[in-house]
Amino acid sequence: ELKVEQNPLFLSMQEGKNYTIYCNYSTTSDRLYWYRQDPGKSLESLFVLLSNGAVKQEGRLMASLDTKARLSTLHITAAVHDLSATYFCAVANAGGTSYGKLTFGQGTILTVHP
Amino acid sequence: IAGITQAPTSQILAAGRRMTLRCTQDMRHNAMYWYRQDLGLGLRLIHYSNTAGTTGKGEVPDGYSVSRANTDDFPLTLASAVPSQTSVYFCASSLAGASSGDEQFFGPGTRLTVL
Repeated sequence: ELKVEQNPLFLSMQEGKNYTIYCNYSTTSDRLYWYRQDPGKSLESLFVLLSNGAVKQEGRLMASLDTKARLSTLHITAAVHDLSATYFCAVANAGGTSYGKLTFGQGTILTVHP
Repeated sequence: IAGITQAPTSQILAAGRRMTLRCTQDMRHNAMYWYRQDLGLGLRLIHYSNTAGTTGKGEVPDGYSVSRANTDDFPLTLASAVPSQTSVYFCASSLAGASSGDEQFFGPGTRLTVL
């Protein structure tokens, strides 16, 4: 059974600082997604990572995927208040009865303060 | 409309009552999904549909049923609501079938409280 764990679950950052959110998963997969959710809102797709070594960047966010280590990272550079949100990673199941379905991490609540 | 719509936005329901959450997409996506979101647990898949006329069970299907009569609509029914079904429900869709691991797009959510 695929398990997805994010670390940390809560992150309080100062504006201008850098930090990384980690997403570990337990079984083989080569499809991973990062989503952003603002309070009371829906999930917005941030990054689609489809192969080992994939790296995507958008503004102050950069996501990478290491399928051998079963690890994805979401790196935040020079944080600004607008990045405050909950970030989820989701991994596609690569086998069994849940083949192709997404399993989500618990989410990381990011707060950026002055 | 553009994307995915859900109705109602929120609902308070007495335990034992029947409730249907509605979901409509206009992207002609093949697959549709229902998730529930609970704090600390992320999103968990309730049911999915690869294409019109087919449905499948997800991780937490008990107490819920779905139907997919056409491409656009994917209603979720709680036959007899219980307090543990208090949650935020998200409908999602993807262009390819559920087994593809394709990117999913989410609706705005329905906040359901069962008393």
